[in-house]
Amino acid sequence: SQKIEQNSEALNIQEGKTATLTCNYTNYSPAYLQWYRQDPGRGPVFLLLIRENEKEKRKERLKVTFDTTLKQSLFHITASQPADSATYLCARLSYNTDKLIFGTGTRLQVFP
Amino acid sequence: EPEVTQTPSHQVTQMGQEVILRCVPISNHLYFYWYRQILGQKVEFLVSFYNNEISEKSEIFDDQFSVERPDGSNFTLKIRSTKLEDSAMYFCASRWWGQGTDTQYFGPGTRLTVL
Repeated sequence: SQKIEQNSEALNIQEGKTATLTCNYTNYSPAYLQWYRQDPGRGPVFLLLIRENEKEKRKERLKVTFDTTLKQSLFHITASQPADSATYLCARLSYNTDKLIFGTGTRLQVFP
Repeated sequence: EPEVTQTPSHQVTQMGQEVILRCVPISNHLYFYWYRQILGQKVEFLVSFYNNEISEKSEIFDDQFSVERPDGSNFTLKIRSTKLEDSAMYFCASRWWGQGTDTQYFGPGTRLTVL
């Protein structure tokens, strides 16, 4: 079955450093990988989408990569700030379906 | 910026009762979804809806669940006879249609507590 695996352990980093979160997928490559931010008790907020044929996507301080050989996506936040503290969800979308399959998310804590 | 809205934010109900969760998707969107998240677990897909019919549903979405778009703006999820294990956050999402519009936008959620 198709799965998304994220490191369930929290990532603690110091303000100003780059946070890197990992998302691994199983089976065949999804059409898209999407990254969302989720704050406690709130809905997922869309951040970035990367397609299978794209290597890298950037938006302001965010960068996402897609490596079909490693079956992995990396999500980077540069110059991290305490306000970036949240849970970050990776989700896959395949060609023949419209449902997002989410990982468990990785909690990021940025401390001053 | 347009956003998906959901009501109520918190619903408490007794086991066996019917509940209706309401959503107003983004106005020009054509695809609608319900997801749920049990506390501490993953966000799970329930159902997708397009052109006034269900296009896909998960194993969770059994006969106790139904969806409806009663008018041009609302999208509802009904649970006929709630169980304790239905307690979760329920998220509505919507998506436009067209090239490069694969992003689903989520609402803030309804917390359902079944006692």
